[in-house]
Amino acid sequence: EDQVTQSPEALRLQEGESSSLNCSYTVSGLRGLFWYRQDPGKGPEFLFTLYSAGEEKEKERLKATLTKKESFLHITAPKPEDSATYLCAVPIYNQGGKLIFGQGTELSVKP
Amino acid sequence: EAQVTQNPRYLITVTGKKLTVTCSQNMNHEYMSWYRQDPGLGLRQIYYSMNVEVTDKGDVPEGYKVSRKEKRNFPLILESPSPNQTSLYFCASSRYDRGTGGGYTFGSGTRLTVV
Repeated sequence: EDQVTQSPEALRLQEGESSSLNCSYTVSGLRGLFWYRQDPGKGPEFLFTLYSAGEEKEKERLKATLTKKESFLHITAPKPEDSATYLCAVPIYNQGGKLIFGQGTELSVKP
Repeated sequence: EAQVTQNPRYLITVTGKKLTVTCSQNMNHEYMSWYRQDPGLGLRQIYYSMNVEVTDKGDVPEGYKVSRKEKRNFPLILESPSPNQTSLYFCASSRYDRGTGGGYTFGSGTRLTVV
């Protein structure tokens, strides 16, 4: 069964304290993995797409990496404005391009 | 500005009263989809459309209808809403690409309460 699991469910950091979020997946024929940021009451905002193991993408304090079984979102020296829920998702192409989402990691960065 | 627009943002209705949530995108995307988001359950797909006049069920289609008569619009219809359809709804669109799927753009959401 296709599945996406994120950990931890919640993460509290002090400003400047770097950490990583994990997204593990079991899908047949991975064709990409997406990371999104979601602020409370708002729609998910696209961050990155990773297509193959070993690939890395960066945006400001965020860096996403991909292996054959999981993806990590590394947050370097976070700021309070990085507080949000981070979602990863995998497209399932034999089902019309459906996205399967993980449950998300709720990140809180305190000043 | 490239965007997905949903209306209304907030809606309180009574059980059984038909309603429509509109969704429109200005990016000429082929693929559109509706999701609902509930605490502890995450985002779940309701319906999707791969192009005009092509729609199919997602994971939780019961109680919902959709139509895709134009490329830009993908309304969600609740013909007889029930309290278990109280949720936060998102419309999303993307360029349809068999190889990668592209990045999905989400609307701002519609918070629906059925009493």
